Amino acid sequence: AVQLTQSPSSLSASIGDRVTMTCRASQAIHTALAWYQQRPGEAPTLLIYDASTLESGVASRFSGSGSGTTFTLTISSLQPDDFATYYCHQCSGYPLTFGPGTKVDLK
Amino acid sequence: QVTLRESGPALVKSTQTLTLTCTFSGFSLDTSGMSVAWIRQTPGKALEWLVRIDWDDNKEYNSFLRSRLTISKDTSKNLVVLSLANVDPLDTATYFCARIQGMLTDYWGQGTLVTVSS
Repeated sequence: AVQLTQSPSSLSASIGDRVTMTCRASQAIHTALAWYQQRPGEAPTLLIYDASTLESGVASRFSGSGSGTTFTLTISSLQPDDFATYYCHQCSGYPLTFGPGTKVDLK
Repeated sequence: QVTLRESGPALVKSTQTLTLTCTFSGFSLDTSGMSVAWIRQTPGKALEWLVRIDWDDNKEYNSFLRSRLTISKDTSKNLVVLSLANVDPLDTATYFCARIQGMLTDYWGQGTLVTVSS
């Protein structure tokens, strides 16, 4: 199974900050990676797929990059709605797996 | 508009079988390329992919739970049923159903919290 690690596990930031988080896969997965946002008490929502494609309706301050084993999610200017946990998810092969998450909270 | 909703018992006892239903709208499971998956989130917030069922009734299981999982669909009623046999307190989690297109999980239900008592 492809193992995913995320760093940092948590970060504190202020409104307007540029925030970057990383997801690393245990083996190359080309660009078969998605990012989800999960607010407390809610289901995950899709932000990015194919490593860098913004899901329809998602704010353009979110962007993704990477291929192979290293991927990045960037929030260009953090907004109040962005305080949440972010998960990466590989859809390259079975079993599909998720990273442990990066929690973004208010500094 | 795509929606999914999970339903089932909030509390089950060890060794029992947990049965959850996913009722969905906004898409059809007899459309080529469409699938529904079950994913659970542990109390520690880890997400664990369990199983998927495809439009053509193909199924893919997470191997570590395969012997205990059963998934089925009723296309006419727009629902998918998950059964997990011989539950243990470690199966305590929030269970989500989600739509998959190809390999991409794009819409999730709100989830249902299931607690397994010993």
